[in-house]
Amino acid sequence: DTAVSQTPKYLVTQMGNDKSIKCEQNLGHDTMYWYKQDSKKFLKIMFSYNNKELIINETVPNRFSPKSPDKAHLNLHINSLELGDSAVYFCASSQGNFYTDTQYFGPGTRLTVL
Amino acid sequence: QKEVEQDPGPLSVPEGAIVSLNCTYSNSAFQYFMWYRQYSRKGPELLMYTYSSGNKEDGRFTAQVDKSSKYISLFIRDSQPSDSATYLCAMSSGAGSYQLTFGKGTKLSVIP
Repeated sequence: DTAVSQTPKYLVTQMGNDKSIKCEQNLGHDTMYWYKQDSKKFLKIMFSYNNKELIINETVPNRFSPKSPDKAHLNLHINSLELGDSAVYFCASSQGNFYTDTQYFGPGTRLTVL
Repeated sequence: QKEVEQDPGPLSVPEGAIVSLNCTYSNSAFQYFMWYRQYSRKGPELLMYTYSSGNKEDGRFTAQVDKSSKYISLFIRDSQPSDSATYLCAMSSGAGSYQLTFGKGTKLSVIP
C-alpha cells in the first residue's frame, strides 16, 4: 500500500542516452511534483502538474520532459543525458489544497550518468 | 541571499538531549511552514506543519514560527538514536502557489 512509488530505484547510464523515470501515487491527490536533489542535498522543484496540467515549470533544460497520462501518474523523460544530471530525483504528491499544501514523497530514483 | 537559510551541520548530540533546529527566510509572503525528516537514501517525510506564527506540538516534537523575525525552529525533546537523520525546513506562500521552497537540511546524529 505504498503511497508514492517510483521506478526504477537506481539508474546507471551513459552520457547521451535517453531515459525515463515513472511515478505513481495512490493517495487520490490532484497535484504531483518532480524534485531534484543534488550531491549537496539541496532539494529543488522541477515540475508540478495539477489534474494533468503543467502548473510549475522551473528553469530546467528542455531535455527534461514530464508527462502526466492521468492524475495518478507523472513520468519524467530525460533526453541526451549529461554528467550534471546525476542526482536523486524525487516524485511527490499533494492534495493540491490551497490551505494545506503538504507533500508526500516517493523513495527517490538515484540517477548516475557515466 | 537565499530565500531559505539552514545550517547544514552536522549536529551531534547525546541521547536524551534537547535538539534545536532552525531556519531563517527572507520572503515575507511565506505563511506555511513544514519540517521534513529524511533518512539516508530515503525520500523526505513530513514531520510537522504550521500555518503562520505560533507553536505546534506533536509528541517529542515542537515547531515554532516567528514571522516577525522570519525564523522557524524545530525542537526535539528526549532525542533518540532513531532521530538521526537530515531535517529539512520547507515553506510556501500558499496564495495559489503549489511550490515549496526547501532549506538545505541539517544533518543530526544522536549518539547512544
